[in-house]
Amino acid sequence: EIVMTQSPATLSVSPGERATLSCRASQSVSTNLAWYHQKPGQAPRLLIYDASTRATGIPARFSGSGSGTEFTLTISSLQSEDFALYYCQQYNNWPWTFGQGTKVEIE
Amino acid sequence: QVQLVQSGGGVVQPGRSLRLSCAASGFTFSSYGMHWVRQAPGKGLEWVAVMSYDGSRQYYADSVKDRFTISRDNSASTLYLQMNSLRAEDTAVYYCAKSTLAKKATPYDYWGQGTLVTVSS
Repeated sequence: EIVMTQSPATLSVSPGERATLSCRASQSVSTNLAWYHQKPGQAPRLLIYDASTRATGIPARFSGSGSGTEFTLTISSLQSEDFALYYCQQYNNWPWTFGQGTKVEIE
Repeated sequence: QVQLVQSGGGVVQPGRSLRLSCAASGFTFSSYGMHWVRQAPGKGLEWVAVMSYDGSRQYYADSVKDRFTISRDNSASTLYLQMNSLRAEDTAVYYCAKSTLAKKATPYDYWGQGTLVTVSS
């Protein structure tokens, strides 16, 4: 199965600053890569799919890039509601696999 | 609006069975692939199983293959997960989730509320 590795494990950022999260695949997943965030006690929410397409209702401060094995999620100016856990997921090969997550916390 | 309402979780002894349900509304259920995803307490997300929109294809994670069965009733807009031979390591919150695009294997734009399955003697 394809292993997804996210870095860093924890990212400490001040509100209004930029956050950059990374996701690496153990083999190419083309652009079949999604990003979600999850707040405690809630289901995950889709942010980005096809590596760079924002899901419906997701603000423009979220952007995704990359292809093959290296992907990035950028949050241009962190808002209070953005502090959460972030997961990447590949859907190029079965089984679909998630990264272990990056926690974005308030610095 | 799209809703996925789950039921069927609870506490079950190792080796026993449990069936989860996910009742869908607000979209054409028969046009979308549906998935189950789980999250063990304090852990990350693990994809469990998928069924295509028409029920013709299913895939499973190795960890549940031959023990879990995904099914759907398009006439009732309901997704199911039959879980047999449950193990302690199956303890998790289980989510049903809807594919973003019709008739295409895509990630999930809507999720159920989650249901906790606890496997313990």
